[in-house]
Amino acid sequence: GDSVTQMEGPVTLSEEAFLTINCTYTATGYPSLFWYVQYPGEGLQLLLKATKADDKGSNKGFEATYRKETTSFHLEKGSVQVSDSAVYFCALRAGGSEKLVFGKGMKLTVNP
Amino acid sequence: GAGVSQTPSNKVTEKGKYVELRCDPISGHTALYWYRQSLGQGPEFLIYFQGTGAADDSGLPNDRFFAVRPEGSVSTLKIQRTERGDSAVYLCASSVDPTGELFFGEGSRLTVL
Repeated sequence: GDSVTQMEGPVTLSEEAFLTINCTYTATGYPSLFWYVQYPGEGLQLLLKATKADDKGSNKGFEATYRKETTSFHLEKGSVQVSDSAVYFCALRAGGSEKLVFGKGMKLTVNP
Repeated sequence: GAGVSQTPSNKVTEKGKYVELRCDPISGHTALYWYRQSLGQGPEFLIYFQGTGAADDSGLPNDRFFAVRPEGSVSTLKIQRTERGDSAVYLCASSVDPTGELFFGEGSRLTVL
């Protein structure tokens, strides 16, 4: 079945450090790929998405590129801030399906 | 507010009891989803409604779990004869249509003692 494997944390970084969170997927067909973020005390929010191969999603300084050849959708940010402290989830939605399949999530803490 | 609202935010119950969790989606959103998030795991799909009907209930773990959305707006997730393994955060999400962005509520944390 469809699945998502992502880096597990927790991870602690200093402010302005570079961030990469790895995500790989297994799916039939051509899924849409997503990164969701959950800030402390809040619900899950869509951070960015990509719907086809080589698409790049970007938002709030975060980027991820849909790589079909490596079945990956790694999340990157060049300079993290304290306000980026949250749990990050990679997810996919297979073609023809309405349901999201999530990875386990990675907790990021950014210290000043 | 205009977001997805879930009640109660916390529910503690005893093994064997019946529980109802409520979701009030964003007004006008026709698609509604329930997910379950166990400790240390990502959300897992339970059921999806399009309007009043359950379009996909393949994620419901067994027949103790049931969900309704009688008027195409508010939804209730019902759990009978709760077990300790049902302890989790139950998330509700809604979207304008099945292809749209999902907006999640803050979840209902269920603890079964």
